[in-house]
Amino acid sequence: EAGVVQSPRYKIIEKKQPVAFWCNPISGHNTLYWYLQNLGQGPELLIRYENEEAVDDSQLPKDRFSAERLKGVDSTLKIQPAELGDSAVYLCASSLDGQGRGEQYFGPGTRLTVT
Amino acid sequence: AQKVTQAQTEISVVEKEDVTLDCVYETRDTTYYLFWYKQPPSGELVFLIRRNSFDEQNEISGRYSWNFQKSTSSFNFTITASQVVDSAVYFCALSAWNTGNQFYFGTGTSLTVIP
Repeated sequence: EAGVVQSPRYKIIEKKQPVAFWCNPISGHNTLYWYLQNLGQGPELLIRYENEEAVDDSQLPKDRFSAERLKGVDSTLKIQPAELGDSAVYLCASSLDGQGRGEQYFGPGTRLTVT
Repeated sequence: AQKVTQAQTEISVVEKEDVTLDCVYETRDTTYYLFWYKQPPSGELVFLIRRNSFDEQNEISGRYSWNFQKSTSSFNFTITASQVVDSAVYFCALSAWNTGNQFYFGTGTSLTVIP
């Protein structure tokens, strides 16, 4: 069974440019998460989807970040415009159980460098 | 508020030594879940174990064991006879019912096993 797929794995952009990350969760997993992980820190939740509905986006900086999961399967996270402080690893995870009881399966992440 | 503390930032052990990684959590919820994840140098977080708040039974899986103690709000992880492949960053995480089951990760403990 394929795991969580993310692309690209690495992205280098100049500040003020837009960037997008893509995630395809494990087949059948209705719950999808986007996390941000800074160096030396644990992942921090940005947004959680149950199917196509964003049920928790309280941590998403909505002035520059947006996300969508139109058909309840794959998802895109966008930053526009990017700032130097956005340099981090962006992780996508999925789970069968959206109630937080189940384990989350993580993708390899996208390492973003903003110059 | 929910919080996970991993006080050990870095640990180094010689191969075959036992090592315990500490995790202390804070929550007012009576229903919650605790997790351990491993993040090897490749970057992908790997699920190790889940425990719910009603099950304080300790668990052993091969060289891994977990000690859950509600009285001290701790969920410690022990690796017996450590191996070089155990070198990674280990994260403890908490998910609580009354906060929408959002995952809270600790800052991680970086384990280096020296051959």
